[in-house]
Amino acid sequence: AQSVSQHNHHVILSEAASLELGCNYSYGGTVNLFWYVQYPGQHLQLLLKYFSGDPLVKGIKGFEAEFIKSKFSFNLRKPSVQWSDTAEYFCAFSSGGYNKLIFGAGTRLAVHP
Amino acid sequence: DAGVTQSPTHLIKTRGQQVTLRCSPKSGHDTVSWYQQALGQGPQFIFQYYEEEERQRGNFPDRFSGHQFPNYSSELNVNALLLGDSALYLCASSGDRGRIPSGANVLTFGAGSRLTVL
Repeated sequence: AQSVSQHNHHVILSEAASLELGCNYSYGGTVNLFWYVQYPGQHLQLLLKYFSGDPLVKGIKGFEAEFIKSKFSFNLRKPSVQWSDTAEYFCAFSSGGYNKLIFGAGTRLAVHP
Repeated sequence: DAGVTQSPTHLIKTRGQQVTLRCSPKSGHDTVSWYQQALGQGPQFIFQYYEEEERQRGNFPDRFSGHQFPNYSSELNVNALLLGDSALYLCASSGDRGRIPSGANVLTFGAGSRLTVL
């Protein structure tokens, strides 16, 4: 079955710490990969996406992610987090011709000043 | 502003009742998808509508049905509500026939309708 595994359910960091959130997907074919973020009280917003080409993609607010096909992974990174990065982060993928997204369970990030 | 508008934002129903949730897609988008997000979980795909027809469906029972109108807005209906239907229901829209790869086909999500079933 198609699925997404996000390894960390809760992450607590201090400001300026580096962040890496793990994401592995289960699907043997070509995928499109996404990270969405949900700030407290707000709607899901796209952080970054990978369709093809350079496996290192950059998104908004200094986030980046690397697609490693051999590991079925799409980990999210940020070198220095800020208090405003406190949010829930969802990894997702789609396959085939339509954008039906399969989401992971999410990772709650809390950044302390 | 999400661009996708959902109503109502919150509602409470009792078991066995029926509910209708509404969604207006982002301007220029023609495809609407519905997701269920239970507490502590990621969104799960319910179905997708394009050209007023259900194009794809996730693993949800027939109690879940939908409709898309000529103006691309959509409704999600759930009959015979169960306690387990309590969740945040998200509507997402996309353009260009919902087909990827295309930079235009990223989903835009609404803020959701939070349904509580007592």
